[in-house]
Amino acid sequence: GDSVTQMEGPVTLSEEACLTINCTYTATGYPSLFWYVQYPGEGLQLLLKATKADDKGSNKGFEATYRKETTSFHLEKGSVQVSDSAVYFCALSSTGNQFYFGTGTSLTVIP
Amino acid sequence: GAGVSQSPRYKVAKRGQDVALRCDPISGHVSLFWYQQALGQGPEFLTYFQNEAQLDKSGLPSDRFFAERPEGSVSTLKIQRTQQEDSAVYLCASSLALWGDGQYFGPGTRLTVT
Repeated sequence: GDSVTQMEGPVTLSEEACLTINCTYTATGYPSLFWYVQYPGEGLQLLLKATKADDKGSNKGFEATYRKETTSFHLEKGSVQVSDSAVYFCALSSTGNQFYFGTGTSLTVIP
Repeated sequence: GAGVSQSPRYKVAKRGQDVALRCDPISGHVSLFWYQQALGQGPEFLTYFQNEAQLDKSGLPSDRFFAERPEGSVSTLKIQRTQQEDSAVYLCASSLALWGDGQYFGPGTRLTVT
């Protein structure tokens, strides 16, 4: 069945460091891929998405490229800020009926 | 409306009690999803509605769980005879269209069964 495997945390970085959170997937067909973010005390928010191979999703300085050959959708940011501290979830949907989420990666950015 | 709202935000139930969790999706959103999120885990799919039709309920963990969306807007997730393992955050999400769209999540209802 469809599934998402993402890098386990927690991840702690200093401000302005580079971030990569790995995400790989298993899916039938051609899924859409998503990154969601959950800030402390808040609900999940869509961060970015990509709907087909080689698409790059981007938002708030974060990027992720849909790589079909490696079945990956790694989240990257060149320079993190304290305000990026949150839990990040990778997700996929093949059918639109069901979305499969990873277990989440907690990021803490220290000044 | 502004976003997806859920009520109550917190619910404590004694084992064996029935609970009802409410979700108000974004106005006009056709699709509505319920998820269960255990501590330290990602959301796990429970059920999906398109308008008032429940098209997928494969994620409901037992027949004690029941969801409805009678008029294609507000949805209620009901859990009968709650058990301790039902303790989790229950998330509702809605989206305008199906394919390729992300979802908009509510803040969740934290259910604690004692």
